[in-house]
Amino acid sequence: AQRVTQPEKLLSVFKGAPVELKCNYSYSGSPELFWYVQYSRQRLQLLLRHISRESIKGFTADLNKGETSFHLKKPFAQEEDSAMYYCALRGRQGAQKLVFGQGTRLTINP
Amino acid sequence: EPEVTQTPSHQVTQMGQEVILRCVPISNHLYFYWYRQILGQKVEFLVSFYNNEISEKSEIFDDQFSVERPDGSNFTLKIRSTKLEDSAMYFCASSEAIRWTQYFGPGTRLLVL
Repeated sequence: AQRVTQPEKLLSVFKGAPVELKCNYSYSGSPELFWYVQYSRQRLQLLLRHISRESIKGFTADLNKGETSFHLKKPFAQEEDSAMYYCALRGRQGAQKLVFGQGTRLTINP
Repeated sequence: EPEVTQTPSHQVTQMGQEVILRCVPISNHLYFYWYRQILGQKVEFLVSFYNNEISEKSEIFDDQFSVERPDGSNFTLKIRSTKLEDSAMYFCASSEAIRWTQYFGPGTRLLVL
């Protein structure tokens, strides 16, 4: 079974502080992992994917297969980072569907 | 930048009625998807569609649901006889190729009374 767990529904940090949004997954094979973000009144949009190994808007995420985690990190939070963040998984064997976590609402306080 | 569009943004219907949710995918995309999110719950995959056929569907996507690409631009989700538990936000998405980035529409909020 494919499952994505985001243990924090809400996360609040101060501007300039480091941010870490946790994501753990359950999948028997080698998955693709994604982070999607939804800013207020906007659509879901891809933030980053693990195979790209890139930094977007200062965010990075590393796939840790030993811990089955894909945590999202940013060293210095900005107010515009306030949004809903969803971790998602796609199985490797030709599957197309994305399996989403419950989402974490990140609030950056000034 | 091209975007996926969805209409209507909100729909209220009576239990047992048929509803059709409409989506216009990004024009050069070939793969289309529907997801839904019941309030307070996860975004859940419903179905994917390619070359005028369903390519993958979830257990949620039962005989009450159907999808269609009636013309070169629209992609629709029909719920034949709505139930209270069909109340949710329905998202359409499209991708240029299989396993490429899925781009989401803004969603249609469906309320079944």
